[in-house]
Amino acid sequence: GAGVSQSPRYKVAKRGQDVALRCDPISGHVSLFWYQQALGQGPEFLTYFQNEAQLDKSGLPSDRFFAERPEGSVSTLKIQRTQQEDSAVYLCASSVTSGALIEQFFGPGTRLTVL
Amino acid sequence: AQTVTQSQPEMSVQEAETVTLSCTYDTSESDYYLFWYKQPPSRQMILVIRQEAYKQQNATENRFSVNFQKAAKSFSLKISDSQLGDAAMYFCAYRGGTASKLTFGTGTRLQVTL
Repeated sequence: GAGVSQSPRYKVAKRGQDVALRCDPISGHVSLFWYQQALGQGPEFLTYFQNEAQLDKSGLPSDRFFAERPEGSVSTLKIQRTQQEDSAVYLCASSVTSGALIEQFFGPGTRLTVL
Repeated sequence: AQTVTQSQPEMSVQEAETVTLSCTYDTSESDYYLFWYKQPPSRQMILVIRQEAYKQQNATENRFSVNFQKAAKSFSLKISDSQLGDAAMYFCAYRGGTASKLTFGTGTRLQVTL
């Protein structure tokens, strides 16, 4: 079956531009996660959805970052007024439920470069 | 806050040999789960193996096994009979019993040589 997909795979933005990153989770997966992976680092948690409810947004680095999942399926991570420090790979993951042992399936990521 | 430390930025192993990747973590929780993820150059993370903290028995998945030392807060990954396809970044990750998010270490890049 289809895995988690993300689009675009690569995005180049000029500083100050707004960007929108899309995540299509595995069909039927209740939980959806966004992580930010800076170059040479491990992924860092940004936010978590259970269906359409955003239950944890403690990892969002500033109010320029906004995520939504309005129908409990596709999610969009929006970054307003991008800065150079926003350059990273943004990973989306989904899981069938929210249980701690449940595997999170990751997408290929979107590499954002802010010039 | 929970932290995960991987002290080996790079490791190298010859094909068919065994290699061990180290991971330590810090937590005050009693209920938690530990994971090893593999990230090939294509970037898609793949779960390798997972361990429940309440289980004393070390998890194994084919050529992959862990050495879980709860008192020492250590969770190392052993890869036996290494194959060229094992070359990747390996990330150790922690998840609290009631938490949703994964906390990752900084990763170990594994090279497999002929």
